[in-house]
Amino acid sequence: EAGVVQSPRYKIIEKKQPVAFWCNPISGHNTLYWYLQNLGQGPELLIRYENEEAVDDSQLPKDRFSAERLKGVDSTLKIQPAELGDSAVYLCASSLDGRPNNEQFFGPGTRLTVL
Amino acid sequence: GDSVTQMEGPVTLSEEAFLTINCTYTATGYPSLFWYVQYPGEGLQLLLKATKADDKGSNKGFEATYRKETTSFHLEKGSVQVSDSAVYFCALSVGAGGTSYGKLTFGQGTILTVHP
Repeated sequence: EAGVVQSPRYKIIEKKQPVAFWCNPISGHNTLYWYLQNLGQGPELLIRYENEEAVDDSQLPKDRFSAERLKGVDSTLKIQPAELGDSAVYLCASSLDGRPNNEQFFGPGTRLTVL
Repeated sequence: GDSVTQMEGPVTLSEEAFLTINCTYTATGYPSLFWYVQYPGEGLQLLLKATKADDKGSNKGFEATYRKETTSFHLEKGSVQVSDSAVYFCALSVGAGGTSYGKLTFGQGTILTVHP
């Protein structure tokens, strides 16, 4: 069974440019998460979806970040415009449902470098 | 708010040494506790978990016991191998009543290097 798929794996852009990340969760997983991982730190949640509904976006910087999960499957995370401080790894994860004791399965991440 | 604190790293051991990585937590709800591992060049994967007090999670020779009285979930392994070299993250997820409901709150990670 395929795991969580993310693309691209690496992205280098100039500051003020837009960038988008794509995630395909494990088939049948209703809950999808986007996490941000800065160097030397643990991941931090940006947004959580239950099917197509964003149920927790309290940590998403809404002035420049947006996300969508059309049809409750794939998801896209966008930054516009990117800033130097956005350089990090963006992780997508999915779980069968949003219950706290469920395992979350992580993708390989997209490493973003903003120059 | 909810938080996880891991021991300062990195940790360097010789093969077959005993490993302990300390993890303590603060949570307002009733957390499930996890250890995730990130091997070089790979994504995060679940190593073990415990969902209630006094539960012991175990996998691949690693163990951790959910200690509610000390709010701890220390990771242990009796004899490490070179292949255990990775970054280890302690994390919690809280049910009803906690600010972390539905999300994982991670510690900062501990880098483990095992030499032959």
